[in-house]
Amino acid sequence: NAGVTQTPKFQVLKTGQSMTLQCAQDMNHNSMYWYRQDPGMGLRLIYYSASEGTTDKGEVPNGYNVSRLNKREFSLRLESAAPSQTSVYFCASSEELASDTQYFGPGTRLTVL
Amino acid sequence: GQQLNQSPQSMFIQEGEDVSMNCTSSSIFNTWLWYKQDPGEGPVLLIALYKAGELTSNGRLTAQFGITRKDSFLNISASIPSDVGIYFCAGTLTGNQFYFGTGTSLTVIP
Repeated sequence: NAGVTQTPKFQVLKTGQSMTLQCAQDMNHNSMYWYRQDPGMGLRLIYYSASEGTTDKGEVPNGYNVSRLNKREFSLRLESAAPSQTSVYFCASSEELASDTQYFGPGTRLTVL
Repeated sequence: GQQLNQSPQSMFIQEGEDVSMNCTSSSIFNTWLWYKQDPGEGPVLLIALYKAGELTSNGRLTAQFGITRKDSFLNISASIPSDVGIYFCAGTLTGNQFYFGTGTSLTVIP
């Protein structure tokens, strides 16, 4: 059981480039989440997917898009990266949306120059 | 967005000492959670609290749901080197979205 996996672990982009962060979970969870973590800010929710086929905005969705490809996979896309998107990105999953136990992946450290 | 303030921001303690940290919110929550994050890893859930006044333990960790529903507290007794990490609180009112605190960085000196 790998839990929640994320790729890549590290990425450096130039301003304006695009990229997709991948996330997969093998726990048969219905709900998945994308967070960003910035120094002194804690974790902030970008988007979430309550179940396969649905996605909703979180606290800081601007500049991002998501796709719930199937029950296992939830990707985050930056269409035109900006320096303000330099952050550590975490994917998480839970059995249901209201479930308190969210399982987090190891994170992707993104730098936008 | 919702603001959760954690204090202290960082702590440096001797092995064997007890640790206390707290988290305050600008609005009420129905659920409080405490997570620990090791360097280079994602957060891991330590304790969940569901009722005002609730006191819950997990080994050497004890957390409390404040009676105002706007705060929560985490205590670690007899700290050991593997307690090192960043501790986050998180809270929710509806369950749809959890808001995370700014974190308390704990360093344990052997």
